[in-house]
Amino acid sequence: QEQLVESGGGLVRPGGSLKLSCAASGFTFSDFYMSWLRQAPGKGLEWLAYISARDDIISYADSVKGRFTISRDNDENSLYLQMGSLRVEDTAVYYCARDLGERSLTYYFDSWGQGTLVTVSS
Amino acid sequence: DIQLTQSPSFLSASVGDRVIITCRASQGFSNYLAWYQQKAGKPPKLLIYAASVLQSGVPSRFSGSGSGTEFALTISSLQPEDFATYYCQQLYTSPTTFGQGTKVEIK
Repeated sequence: QEQLVESGGGLVRPGGSLKLSCAASGFTFSDFYMSWLRQAPGKGLEWLAYISARDDIISYADSVKGRFTISRDNDENSLYLQMGSLRVEDTAVYYCARDLGERSLTYYFDSWGQGTLVTVSS
Repeated sequence: DIQLTQSPSFLSASVGDRVIITCRASQGFSNYLAWYQQKAGKPPKLLIYAASVLQSGVPSRFSGSGSGTEFALTISSLQPEDFATYYCQQLYTSPTTFGQGTKVEIK
């Protein structure tokens, strides 16, 4: 049974930084594209970034480009999101998600973590 | 970016009802659409992809249809565990975007 567990959320001041982690288990992590998405309180879903299975293709949403960095460690079965220049509007639950396609990008997300809350406030 | 508008935004229904949620896109595409179910405090769950393909393990009372600018998620007979918020997602253009959600509550 595949499992994704996020960690690293918390309270951070505007302009600050935070690094989220996502530990994967129950599947061959290195075979799948992975994404980060977020959901602001009471709002809908927003895709933020994806990284290819082999770590050679990365894409970001405009809302986080230049501020957030996605990375992965296939030896550690882990996905990361380094967040910088944080804004109040970045407050959200952040999810890591696995792409449905094996070794290919589909943008369908078939497995999600439980999420970690990031609160940006002074 | 493609905008997705779901209707209704809120739906009150009874167990056993047939429920249809629609998702309208600001520009047309073929079948690059998915549906997710999200229960309170939980992550989304993939129900349907490629507009009409049922994800493994999802009950057959869920079905998806449509193409162009109008898509639909149908629940043939609403069950107590189906009360949740449903989101559509388009993958035709990057970035992938989601509808605003439809909350299905018990009448």
